[in-house]
Amino acid sequence: EDQVTQSPEALRLQEGESSSLNCSYTVSGLRGLFWYRQDPGKGPEFLFTLYSAGEEKEKERLKATLTKKESFLHITAPKPEDSATYLCAVQEYNNNDMRFGAGTRLTVKP
Amino acid sequence: GAVVSQHPSRVICKSGTSVKIECRSLDFQATTMFWYRQFPKQSLMLMATSNEGSKATYEQGVEKDKFLINHASLTLSTLTVTSAHPEDSSFYICSASTGTGGFSYEQYFGPGTRLTVT
Repeated sequence: EDQVTQSPEALRLQEGESSSLNCSYTVSGLRGLFWYRQDPGKGPEFLFTLYSAGEEKEKERLKATLTKKESFLHITAPKPEDSATYLCAVQEYNNNDMRFGAGTRLTVKP
Repeated sequence: GAVVSQHPSRVICKSGTSVKIECRSLDFQATTMFWYRQFPKQSLMLMATSNEGSKATYEQGVEKDKFLINHASLTLSTLTVTSAHPEDSSFYICSASTGTGGFSYEQYFGPGTRLTVT
């Protein structure tokens, strides 16, 4: 059965303290891996799509990377406004569905 | 670009009544729309997938007669919760995708609807 596992479940950082979030996946054929940010009481906000192992994408303080088994979301010098839940999702070939991980709740303290 | 709206943002209804939630893609045509349910501090659970002009495909365990989905146009899908019960109280989120091939498979999410059934 396809699985998406995110770790850690929760992460507390000091402002400026860089770290990484992990998303491990098992699918029969990966079409794409997606990262979203979700603030409390709101819908997820699209961040990145990664399609093949070795691919990297960056946006401000965020950088997403992909291997054949996992993806990392690196956060460099985070700020309090980066506090949110970060969701990872995978999509298989021949299927428009996305399967989401449980998310990592990130808190950045000033 | 890629803006999705939902209406209403919050709704409170009495047990036994029906509630309709609208999902609109504002600046693109969505060939596929998705409906998710999210419980507090949990991830999104896919309820159903709908393509414009055809019947929705429901996930296992989701009652299609209770959660009626209509995707009447390329910019509008509706979810109707029929005969609502308190256990239907949840955060309902829709998303839209162009899904036209190539690399256009991102889903863009609406802001969600908080349903409370009393």
